[in-house]
Amino acid sequence: QVQLQESGPGLVKPSQILSLTCSVSGDSISSGGYYWSWIRQHPGKGLEWIGNIYHSGSTQYTPSLKSRLTMSVDTSKNQFSLKLTSVTSADTAVYYCARARGRSTSNYLDVWGQGTLVTVSS
Amino acid sequence: EIVLTQSPDFQSVTPNEKVTFTCRASQNIGSNLHWFQQKPGQSPKLLIKFASQSISGVPSRFSGSGSGTDFSLTIGSLEAEDAATYYCHQTAALPGTFGRGTKVEI
Repeated sequence: QVQLQESGPGLVKPSQILSLTCSVSGDSISSGGYYWSWIRQHPGKGLEWIGNIYHSGSTQYTPSLKSRLTMSVDTSKNQFSLKLTSVTSADTAVYYCARARGRSTSNYLDVWGQGTLVTVSS
Repeated sequence: EIVLTQSPDFQSVTPNEKVTFTCRASQNIGSNLHWFQQKPGQSPKLLIKFASQSISGVPSRFSGSGSGTDFSLTIGSLEAEDAATYYCHQTAALPGTFGRGTKVEI
């Protein structure tokens, strides 16, 4: 059974870098047919798709975050990561990692991590 | 980006009732529309993929329909455990987008 687990600091200071890692167990991140995704949810609000990464390192980012966002993959550790620079309070959210089954579009998010709350505050 | 409009925002229902929510896309997305259930403090759970395809382990009372721009999720006979927020999600085009959700209160 595939499981995803987010990890990273729960508190980040404004203007600094938010870094999160998603550890995948029960499947190889290098297996084809999946993209690996990040989604966030502001407190009490809806879901926002952040981006996808393939095991090759190919990425797709949401335009609103593209200038501050970097996603990477470490196949040796079976992990993928997110870095968001110059954070503000607007980046305070629960961050989820998820597996997208299918192609870069026309896929569906079938497995999710439990989510991790990241608060941006001095 | 493609905008998904869900309605209603909130619905109060009674057990055993049949309930239907809708999700409208701002442009044609074919069948690339998926439904999720999210309970407080939990991550979203996939209920329906590609508009109408069932998911293993999801109760059969959940069903989806639609294509193009208009979609719906139906709960055939509501149970108390179905109290949650329901989101639609499109993957026809990047960036992927979600609807704002329909909150169901029992």
